[in-house]
Amino acid sequence: QVQLQETGPGLVKPSETLSLTCTLSGGSISGYYWSWLRQPPGKGLEWIGYISFSGSTDYNPSLKSRVSFSVDTSKNQFSLKLSSVTAADTAVYYCANQGGGSFDLWGRGTLVTVSS
Amino acid sequence: AIQLTQSPSSLSASVGDRVTITCRASQGISSDLAWYQQKVGRAPKLLIFDASSLENGVPSRFSGSGSGTDFTLTISSLQPDDFATYYCQQFKSYPLTFGGGTKVDIK
Repeated sequence: QVQLQETGPGLVKPSETLSLTCTLSGGSISGYYWSWLRQPPGKGLEWIGYISFSGSTDYNPSLKSRVSFSVDTSKNQFSLKLSSVTAADTAVYYCANQGGGSFDLWGRGTLVTVSS
Repeated sequence: AIQLTQSPSSLSASVGDRVTITCRASQGISSDLAWYQQKVGRAPKLLIFDASSLENGVPSRFSGSGSGTDFTLTISSLQPDDFATYYCQQFKSYPLTFGGGTKVDIK
């Protein structure tokens, strides 16, 4: 069964960098596009950006100055870094497979709280 | 960025009801639209892609229609498992964007 799993700290201090990793099991990361999305508590979904298996990226302009992605095909992983976080970055962060533009495979999500 | 406006933002319905949710795009997006179902505490689940194609394993009571700027998600006969929040998403252009969601609860 193909699954995605987000891992990383659940609590990040303001002004620091949020770092998350997504691991794919039961399949290969190669040949596909992988996205990060987030959802503040009680609110809607926001696409953060994607990274391809070859490392090409596209970021949401609303976060572009603070976000970076990386991929490690040998570990079937891709990662997110979001710098200079504030309380507004508190959200459930999801990784997902971006197939044909829509998201057909999602991780369970991980809540990241920004607080001192 | 392309904006998606969903209506209504919430609705109350009974089991067996026919439910229709609309999504309007701020500019034409052809059929580059998907619909998702999200239950509390869970990740979204893809229901419909390319505006009207049913994702594998999704019950046939779900259907999607529309093209250009106006789209519809229909649940032909609402089941207890369908009470959730529904989102539309466009993939015509980047950044990818979502509608604000429609919460369907029990009447």
